[in-house]
Amino acid sequence: DIQMTQSPASLSASLEEIVTITCQASQDIGNWLAWYQQKPGKSPQLLIYGATSLADGVPSRFSGSRSGTQYSLKISRLQVEDIGIYYCQQASSAPNTFGAGTKLELK
Amino acid sequence: EVQLQESGPGLVKPSQSLSLTCSVTGYSITSNYWGWIRKFPGNKMEWMGYISYSGSTSYNPSLKSRISITRDTSKNQFFLQLNSVTTEDTATYYCARGPTRFAYWGQGTLVTVSS
Repeated sequence: DIQMTQSPASLSASLEEIVTITCQASQDIGNWLAWYQQKPGKSPQLLIYGATSLADGVPSRFSGSRSGTQYSLKISRLQVEDIGIYYCQQASSAPNTFGAGTKLELK
Repeated sequence: EVQLQESGPGLVKPSQSLSLTCSVTGYSITSNYWGWIRKFPGNKMEWMGYISYSGSTSYNPSLKSRISITRDTSKNQFFLQLNSVTTEDTATYYCARGPTRFAYWGQGTLVTVSS
């Protein structure tokens, strides 16, 4: 299975701050990478697919990028409603695998 | 609007089978792919498998001997059966649409395996 190493495990940031979360794939996955946000008590929500494409209805302050086998999710100006757990997920090779998650809190 | 809803027992005894139903509205399950994903206590997420628009299935090899995903197209529902459960199968189970990215999810159902 492809391993997705996600970092950091937790992150505390201030409102309006820039936040970056990364995932390192254990092998080449091309652009088969998605990012999800999960708020407490809710289902995960798709934010980014194809490594860089914004999902429908997702605010433009979210963006995804790729450098080789490292993938990043950036929140340009952190808002209160962005608090939650973020996951990356690869779909290049079965089985789909997820990162361990990043818990984002307000400082 | 596509909506998914899981249902089934919230408590299962060890060694028994876990059975869940996902009811889909707003979209036919004879199109696209429909799968199950679970989230363990401690936040680890695991893709379990899917059933396709044609009825073919794909499973996570870690579960292959215990899992079955089936469907009833007349009711627009698909099902998860996981056999020989242990306490390590305690998790929130989600149904979701898609083989590679999951834009639609159910609300999730917590299944506890305990005697």
